[in-house]
Amino acid sequence: DAGVIQSPRHEVTEMGQEVTLRCKPISGHDYLFWYRQTMMRGLELLIYFNNNVPIDDSGMPEDRFSAKMPNASFSTLKIQPSEPRDSAVYFCASSFGLAGKGEQFFGPGTRLTVL
Amino acid sequence: AQSVTQPDIHITVSEGASLELRCNYSYGATPYLFWYVQSPGQGLQLLLKYFSGDTLVQGIKGFEAEFKRSQSSFNLRKPSVHWSDAAEYFCAVGTTSGTYKYIFGTGTRLKVLA
Repeated sequence: DAGVIQSPRHEVTEMGQEVTLRCKPISGHDYLFWYRQTMMRGLELLIYFNNNVPIDDSGMPEDRFSAKMPNASFSTLKIQPSEPRDSAVYFCASSFGLAGKGEQFFGPGTRLTVL
Repeated sequence: AQSVTQPDIHITVSEGASLELRCNYSYGATPYLFWYVQSPGQGLQLLLKYFSGDTLVQGIKGFEAEFKRSQSSFNLRKPSVHWSDAAEYFCAVGTTSGTYKYIFGTGTRLKVLA
């Protein structure tokens, strides 16, 4: 398997623009997670899905952020409108089985810069 | 509330020296415990995990960790560090009841001197 795939790897955009981050989890995994990593706040869980259904989105910072998982092999994280404080590395991870127990496999991340 | 503390933000060791990275957690029940490593520009990779049983667990790349319930700790160790071990290390707790939570510590950045 190719592992978790994220695109794009780097994104530079201007404040106010819409940004869409994409993730393809490992085939057969039933949990998908979106994390944000910054120097100030470390690694934060934004939202996670189980069998394509959002389970906990309490980490989503505000309404400008939304995430979808239309099928088992694809998820998006959208920021609209983007702000400079959204600049971070966004990771997608997937796992199989009980979420707290399953090893999470991380993608390489998307480095987002909002000017 | 569940929490994970990694008290050392940066650690520097010489190549060949032993290493211990500290991790303390706060959780009401027996947690699932993990150590991940993040190399520069990469995602996180699992080093080892503890669910139950033997409190000393072995992982990849020669790492081990010991679960000490009385101290609420899960420290990561390696007897002899290699230059390629330079990376950031994250301890994580996976909750075992209620709404799932997988909480990461703030990380410890390891620098290895040649």
